[in-house]
Amino acid sequence: KAGVTQTPRYLIKTRGQQVTLSCSPISGHRSVSWYQQTPGQGLQFLFEYFSETQRNKGNFPGRFSGRQFSNSRSEMNVSTLELGDSALYLCASSPWGARLSTEAFFGQGTRLTVV
Amino acid sequence: DQQVKQNSPSLSVQEGRISILNCDYTNSMFDYFLWYKKYPAEGPTFLISISSIKDKNEDGRFTVFLNKSAKHLSLHIVPSQPGDSAVYFCAACISNNNAGNMLTFGGGTRLMVKP
Repeated sequence: KAGVTQTPRYLIKTRGQQVTLSCSPISGHRSVSWYQQTPGQGLQFLFEYFSETQRNKGNFPGRFSGRQFSNSRSEMNVSTLELGDSALYLCASSPWGARLSTEAFFGQGTRLTVV
Repeated sequence: DQQVKQNSPSLSVQEGRISILNCDYTNSMFDYFLWYKKYPAEGPTFLISISSIKDKNEDGRFTVFLNKSAKHLSLHIVPSQPGDSAVYFCAACISNNNAGNMLTFGGGTRLMVKP
């Protein structure tokens, strides 16, 4: 069974640009969550999608957005990039239904560097 | 306001001995707890979890203990092996949340197991 796939693995962008990251969840998983990992803030929740609907959102500015497609693949977008957006962005998929939580399976992440 | 805290940023133990990683939380609504292991440039890997209805869960060399009254959990690794050297994250969530699911992570503890 293939794991969570994130593309690209590495990105370098210039301040002010926008970026789109992609995540393909494990087959059959309908919940996709995004996390940002930075040295100072650790792992922080960005948002979660289930059946193409955003169910939960973390405390990030509106420059961070996402969506989920009918095949459960998800994208996140960051507009007007700032230097502080440099981080490892992790996607996690899980077989969570509407009520039950179990472990989430993470991809390898996309390392974004803003210069 | 950090709802999940891992107060020890690093821990060093000798191979064969016990590793104890600690985690504290403040949100009494959390009812499901997970431990993840992370190597550099990789996504976190699920290790073990525990529901708040239990106080102990064991899986091979890994045991998680939960003390709800103290809002404290710990991960025991016995015996520790050099391959266990990684960053360990504690995470918590509210499992019965119809609004969606999100993991709140601690800051991580870097475990070094010396041969």
